Amino acid sequence: EVQLVESGGGVVRPGGSLKLSCTASGFTFENFGMTWVRQFPGKGLEWVSGINWNGVGESYADSVKGRFTISRDNASKSVYLQMDSLRAEDTALYYCARVRSGYYRAEYAQHWGQGTLVIVS
Amino acid sequence: IQMTQSPSTLSASVGDRVTITCRASQNIYSWLAWYQQRPGRAPKLLIYQASTLESGVPSRFSGSGSGTEFTLTISTLQPDDFATYYCQQHNSSPWAFGQGTRVDIK
Repeated sequence: EVQLVESGGGVVRPGGSLKLSCTASGFTFENFGMTWVRQFPGKGLEWVSGINWNGVGESYADSVKGRFTISRDNASKSVYLQMDSLRAEDTALYYCARVRSGYYRAEYAQHWGQGTLVIVS
Repeated sequence: IQMTQSPSTLSASVGDRVTITCRASQNIYSWLAWYQQRPGRAPKLLIYQASTLESGVPSRFSGSGSGTEFTLTISTLQPDDFATYYCQQHNSSPWAFGQGTRVDIK
């Protein structure tokens, strides 16, 4: 069974930093692209960032470009989201999601974690 | 690419046929996915490539459309189906989601 477990969320002051982690199990992690999607309180979904199976080709939503950095470690079956210069409008539930193939760009989220909450206040 | 769903909220009864529309701001061919999100839960993939049902999803869910206009249909609404539904274009990056359609009990 595919499992994705996010961690690292919490309360941080504006301008601060936080690093989210997502640990995978139940599939061959190195074969799949990964993404982060966030959900604002009581609102809809926003794609944040994605990374290919080999750790390259990453991209970001305009709203986080230059502040967030995605990375992965296939040996530890984990994907990360380093979030710097955090703003109040970054407050959201952050989901880690696996796509169907090794490349995330023209893909969809086949499996989701349960999310980790980030509050910037 | 911007995605626009309608309606934003839909009230229906168990057994009803329900249709949700999603429009893309430009041609995305058939590269559209639909998700269901129940309260307090992560989204769940229902359909991809506009009409392909994800494994394990009940056959009462169906998707259609191409280009810029798409629909999600639930043929006979069940109690488990009261949830929020999102479309997402998977034609290119950055991904774009619709704003969601909440299906609640009439």
